[in-house]
Amino acid sequence: AQSVTQLGSHVSVSEGALVLLRCNYSSSVPPYLFWYVQYPNQGLQLLLKYTTGATLVKGINGFEAEFKKSETSFHLTKPSAHMSDAAEYFCAVSGSGNTGKLIFGQGTTLQVKP
Amino acid sequence: GAGVSQTPSNKVTEKGKYVELRCDPISGHTALYWYRQSLGQGPEFLIYFQGTGAADDSGLPNDRFFAVRPEGSVSTLKIQRTERGDSAVYLCASSPGSLRGNEQFFGPGTRLTVL
Repeated sequence: AQSVTQLGSHVSVSEGALVLLRCNYSSSVPPYLFWYVQYPNQGLQLLLKYTTGATLVKGINGFEAEFKKSETSFHLTKPSAHMSDAAEYFCAVSGSGNTGKLIFGQGTTLQVKP
Repeated sequence: GAGVSQTPSNKVTEKGKYVELRCDPISGHTALYWYRQSLGQGPEFLIYFQGTGAADDSGLPNDRFFAVRPEGSVSTLKIQRTERGDSAVYLCASSPGSLRGNEQFFGPGTRLTVL
């Protein structure tokens, strides 16, 4: 079975500070991992994903994440936060089998203070 | 091009009523997913279509929930005898295929409120 845990339902950073959003997963098969962002009144948008290969994955808007198998983690980072990064962020793992369904964490709300 | 669209954007109904929620996927996407997002939670999988058939409906909570995709494009999620616990945002996503690594493209959701 697959599951995702996001540590911290709310994270607050100052503009220009490092963003770190934590995600740990459990998977019975080699994991495919995703980070999605949800802005108010908009659909979820893919930030980045890990399938195979390079464990450091770069995404849109300056975000990146590193897959660490030994720690079962896939934390999301951005060196310098912008006000426009304020949103809700979801980590997800792809379920086993060939359906492609996603199992999401509970989400982390990122607040960026001026 | 056009993204995934969902109608209505908001639906308010009374307990016991029947509702239909519509999803228009991206043209050419064969895989379609429905998720439910309760307040303060991440989306939870409901059902997956590959073409016209429901290939995985393991996430449907009970037999009051049903979904169809008769022509392999538009899908409708149907909820009978609605209950207050059904209140949530219902999300639809489509994908070019169902491979585990494929990106899913999400619609803005339908917010269902059951009074």
